[in-house]
Amino acid sequence: GAGVSQSPRYKVAKRGQDVALRCDPISGHVSLFWYQQALGQGPEFLTYFQNEAQLDKSGLPSDRFFAERPEGSVSTLKIQRTQQEDSAVYLCASSPEKNTEAFFGQGTRLTVV
Amino acid sequence: AQRVTQPEKLLSVFKGAPVELKCNYSYSGSPELFWYVQYSRQRLQLLLRHISRESIKGFTADLNKGETSFHLKKPFAQEEDSAMYYCALRRPGTYKYIFGTGTRLKVLA
Repeated sequence: GAGVSQSPRYKVAKRGQDVALRCDPISGHVSLFWYQQALGQGPEFLTYFQNEAQLDKSGLPSDRFFAERPEGSVSTLKIQRTQQEDSAVYLCASSPEKNTEAFFGQGTRLTVV
Repeated sequence: AQRVTQPEKLLSVFKGAPVELKCNYSYSGSPELFWYVQYSRQRLQLLLRHISRESIKGFTADLNKGETSFHLKKPFAQEEDSAMYYCALRRPGTYKYIFGTGTRLKVLA
């Protein structure tokens, strides 16, 4: 594809529901990142993958958040038992290597009601 | 702690006027600094980085280590410059960006 693709673009979840957000990075990109962007804020780092290895999950706000990238390409961010404070735009980005330019997807806007 | 501060949430200028979007950072070392832009209904994209010293779409940014600033400037604003601008910091050789809260630039006709 032409860029990083995220789905769904919008998700409304009832409080307590589990959600799964998908990211298709640019083909061949080794590094993949997830960021969370709350309303009126800049993106905040959640987690980083190098190929299939999750090398940094220091930004995940709680153990309800889980990310995986089992085959080193597509990644899924899962949020269990969603809470209202989880409402945000979730951005995925990929880059050829860890310290090169990151290309962002359009994001998934999650609203927890 | 590493931090990026963008003091203005909104900046409105008239077309043809100069524009300066402020960015200050807190980092004990020599960081990599970036400006990202998000046009309406589009994804976040890299505008420029301090290391390349480029001018993109007429924008420039100079790293001032003494003032710990990386302000974004353009001498003559265009309506198509209207967008959300984010300043970001990254430790050299690493992968994690630290973003500011963003400044919305509105260029008025």
